[in-house]
Amino acid sequence: KQEVTQIPAALSVPEGENLVLNCSFTDSAIYNLQWFRQDPGKGLTSLLLIQSSQREQTSGRLNASLDKSSGRSTLYIAASQPGDSATYLCAADNAGNMLTFGGGTRLMVKP
Amino acid sequence: NAGVMQNPRHLVRRRGQEARLRCSPMKGHSHVYWYRQLPEEGLKFMVYLQKENIIDESGMPKERFSAEFPKEGPSILRIQQVVRGDSAAYFCASSPLGGTGARTDTQYFGPGTRLTVL
Repeated sequence: KQEVTQIPAALSVPEGENLVLNCSFTDSAIYNLQWFRQDPGKGLTSLLLIQSSQREQTSGRLNASLDKSSGRSTLYIAASQPGDSATYLCAADNAGNMLTFGGGTRLMVKP
Repeated sequence: NAGVMQNPRHLVRRRGQEARLRCSPMKGHSHVYWYRQLPEEGLKFMVYLQKENIIDESGMPKERFSAEFPKEGPSILRIQQVVRGDSAAYFCASSPLGGTGARTDTQYFGPGTRLTVL
């Protein structure tokens, strides 16, 4: 059974800092690994999807890496802004039917 | 192209009543997934449906919960005789492909329905 863990659970940084969010998973037989953003009281917005055959994906100030052998993924946010404040979720896709989510990292970027 | 639509956005029910949550997938998507987010917990998979078929319901509680995705109309998640522990945010997602093999498509999530049981 896949288990996904995210560290840290919460993070507060001043504006402009580069930061790394961590995600680990127990079953490396994944189809892909996705990162989402969730704003309070809102739905999920897909940020990046890394296929199992890929090592990283980039979109703007975001870069996500995947190391299947060690069961880890990281989300790197460059030059953080207050608008980046949200909960970031990673999710592993094993069976092709469901996503297994981590508990999320609550990010606060202070002006 | 409208995104995944869910209604109602907020639903209040008293214990013992029925809750019906609706999800309209993105245009061209024939695969629907339901997830539940309990307070202070992560999202948990409930059920995966294609048109007129339940593909995987391994995350559904054994009693009181049911889901359908008819040939016409939205997918419905039905909770009978609700209890306070059912209070949560229920999210629907859709994708254009699904199931076995190397499916690699992103799931697109709706805004969720927040159910409160009094």
